[in-house]
Amino acid sequence: DVKVTQSSRYLVKRTGEKVFLECVQDMDHENMFWYRQDPGLGLRLIYFSYDVKMKEKGDIPEGYSVSREKKERFSLILESASTNQTSMYLCASSPISYFEAFFGQGTRLTVV
Amino acid sequence: GEDVEQSLFLSVREGDSSVINCTYTDSSSTYLYWYKQEPGAGLQLLTYIFSNMDMKQDQRLTVLLNKKDKHLSLRIADTQTGDSAIYFCAEAYNNNDMRFGAGTRLTVKP
Repeated sequence: DVKVTQSSRYLVKRTGEKVFLECVQDMDHENMFWYRQDPGLGLRLIYFSYDVKMKEKGDIPEGYSVSREKKERFSLILESASTNQTSMYLCASSPISYFEAFFGQGTRLTVV
Repeated sequence: GEDVEQSLFLSVREGDSSVINCTYTDSSSTYLYWYKQEPGAGLQLLTYIFSNMDMKQDQRLTVLLNKKDKHLSLRIADTQTGDSAIYFCAEAYNNNDMRFGAGTRLTVKP
């Protein structure tokens, strides 16, 4: 089974802190994605990566950056966390042919 | 901009059929998906349909695609309490991108 693992289920951080959300997939997928999920807004794409060291902005990249140093790992970075970044963050991966995206269990981040 | 729209809530009684509707606006979409999210979990692919198909049936699930109206629906026959979840409609386009609707929360009453 494909496994996408996010490092934390729940996080509480203070405003202004630098926050790292880690995601690891074990199926050698080329594509990896970071979404945030907010009630009534569905999933919104923050960034995606189609190869090591490659990244593309999604719909809402402001306030975020990403890192993909290894194929299996895709990190989302909040440079200076703000309360409006309180949300559920979902990581996903897919093969290059893009048939199905596999999701992690999500990280619920609260910024206080 | 382009948008995937779906109603936010649906409530049905156990044993009834559920129909969740979705509209999308990008006619170049190649695949259309239904994902299911159970409480506290990530999204799981429920079913999909290629853009050149009209209908797909998979056990209790029926997906209907009206490409002319850009309308996608998911019918769940004999809905069970275990079907209570949020259902996301999604479209794939540009080979590397996927656009999601806001999700429909399905509540199944015993």
